[in-house]
Amino acid sequence: GQQVMQIPQYQHVQEGEDFTTYCNSSTTLSNIQWYKQRPGGHPVFLIQLVKSGEVKKQKRLTFQFGEAKKNSSLHITATQTTDVGTYFCAGNTGTASKLTFGTGTRLQVTL
Amino acid sequence: DAGITQSPRHKVTETGTPVTLRCHQTENHRYMYWYRQDPGHGLRLIHYSYGVKDTDKGEVSDGYSVSRSKTEDFLLTLESATSSQTSVYFCAISESGILGTQYFGPGTRLLVL
Repeated sequence: GQQVMQIPQYQHVQEGEDFTTYCNSSTTLSNIQWYKQRPGGHPVFLIQLVKSGEVKKQKRLTFQFGEAKKNSSLHITATQTTDVGTYFCAGNTGTASKLTFGTGTRLQVTL
Repeated sequence: DAGITQSPRHKVTETGTPVTLRCHQTENHRYMYWYRQDPGHGLRLIHYSYGVKDTDKGEVSDGYSVSRSKTEDFLLTLESATSSQTSVYFCAISESGILGTQYFGPGTRLLVL
């Protein structure tokens, strides 16, 4: 079945440093979504990418969808303590009404 | 936040007992999902529903059943709970399925002793 892997599993950065998480699928995706989960909270939708090579920005966050639509990345510029949490990607192959979530990347930011 | 509630929020039960978790939405969204979240596995889909009385299995459906008799309610039942079903369970809703945003409920922490 479809597998979605994320790397790294965990990253610890100092406030102000950049952070990137990568999402890789074993199959071509029709779309990919990104979610953020704060410690003790529930996942919250960040963004959706649909087009090959698409790049979207939300303030300090930059999201990319690969040309082959099998990988994606989330880059945070100048991290802040409010960025702490686990970031999940979720993709769909277009053949079923369900998303497959990645394993997540937990980000820790210290002063 | 979208109008999604889950009950109970916390539950401790014993192996072999039946358990039912409830997800209730006030958004009138068509799609509803049950996920479980475990360390190292992310979110894994248990079952989902694409309409009243229309449900389908996810990747980890063994040992679970669901029912949706009304648009607003999606029930997850563990017929005979096992320790491997100790987890955090999240319900999610979506207006347009996989191409739409999924809104998650607050989660239910289940401990099976």
